[in-house]
Formats: sequence, structure tokens, C-alpha cells
Amino acid sequence: GAVVSQHPSWVICKSGTSVKIECRSLDFQATTMFWYRQFPKQSLMLMATSNEGSKATYEQGVEKDKFLINHASLTLSTLTVTSAHPEDSSFYICSASSQREIDTQYFGPGTRLTVL
Amino acid sequence: QKEVEQDPGPLSVPEGAIVSLNCTYSNSAFQYFMWYRQYSRKGPELLMYTYSSGNKEDGRFTAQVDKSSKYISLFIRDSQPSDSATYLCAMSAEYGNKLVFGAGTILRVKS
Repeated sequence: GAVVSQHPSWVICKSGTSVKIECRSLDFQATTMFWYRQFPKQSLMLMATSNEGSKATYEQGVEKDKFLINHASLTLSTLTVTSAHPEDSSFYICSASSQREIDTQYFGPGTRLTVL
Repeated sequence: QKEVEQDPGPLSVPEGAIVSLNCTYSNSAFQYFMWYRQYSRKGPELLMYTYSSGNKEDGRFTAQVDKSSKYISLFIRDSQPSDSATYLCAMSAEYGNKLVFGAGTILRVKS
């Protein structure tokens, strides 16, 4: 149980385009989802926290207009990188927690974004 | 100073060795402590979870928390090549609140 999927697993796009990444909890209802980014050989940096049906809470320094997060249902959250630039190239990972286990985050496999 | 300090390694050990991985932290409010294992280009996988101080054992893995020293450890007994991965410590001050991660330690177990 507690499986989180992400789609796509990797994406390459041109500078200036927008990219949407989906995060799904497959076998549980995710009341809270988290979005992280990870640079090579560095740890995960929390970008934002989203609760189902509410606006996301962004960490300091994260541009909310650039990284749009939608948590429309208890099993799906999306991260849209708008007008992507090469410096947005990174590994994006989501995690999800349920009401029953709110202290445990289950991570997705990550999405590798490369902006040319 | 980072909230959570973790030696990035890499740490290389022979198969069968006992591995000790550690993190120190500065925020005394942290109460929930986790260890994650991350294989290359994959998401982190929860290995161990402990609350407050004490030890927890699960198979070959033992997690220790010493809140007085602000120090946590993960021990891996009888290490296997399949244990080769990056190990991330993570901690949180509040139940269900955001996690603060260490930088991760790269472990290589050689057969």
C-alpha cells in the first residue's frame, strides 16, 4: 500500500514553454501533498505544501506564479512550471500523506525536467 | 548553519560490514525523525521512523535518536550491495508538518 505515482517520469522542453507534472496517490486519499525539487547530489528542498481544496503554501523564495500547484482531489496534485527556463531543470518529487498517517510522507518516483 | 547536518560521503564498505550513518541537528523542537533510502533517479523510500528519543529496530536496520545531543543514527548490519544508495535523514517539529532533510549520505557496499 501507500503508492504514489508521478507522470511523466522525465520531460524535455524548450525554454519558454510550460510543463505540467502529475502526482497521484494510488491506494489512499492524500489530504496533504508536498512538492520538492532536488539538484544533483543535493538534498530535497521543499517547494510547497498543498491541502486538498485549498491554496498551496509556498516556501520562502519559491515563486508561486511560476510554480502553479493544484490539489483538486484527494488523489491528484499537479505542479505546472510556467515559462520554463534552463535554470528550472531539476528533479521534481512529490510526496503525499493521509489523514490516517499524517506524520508519514510517501514519495513518488520523481520527474526529471530538462529545459533546453 | 544548516538545521540538519549530514556528511555526504561517499561511504564505501565491504559486504557484510556494519554501517553507521549519522545526522546532527540544531532545532531542539524536532521530535519526529525519519530515515529514507533513495536510489539513483528514484524517489525516497521510508526506512525507519522514530518519535522522540530511543532506539528502533527493523530487521537489519536500527535507528537511534539522542535528543540531548541532537544526534540521530542509522545502523545497517550485514550490509549488502543492494544497500548501496543515498540515505537521507529527515525530521519534523510537529506531527504531520513539513520535513527538513539532511543532504544525504551516499553509501557504497562492495561485494
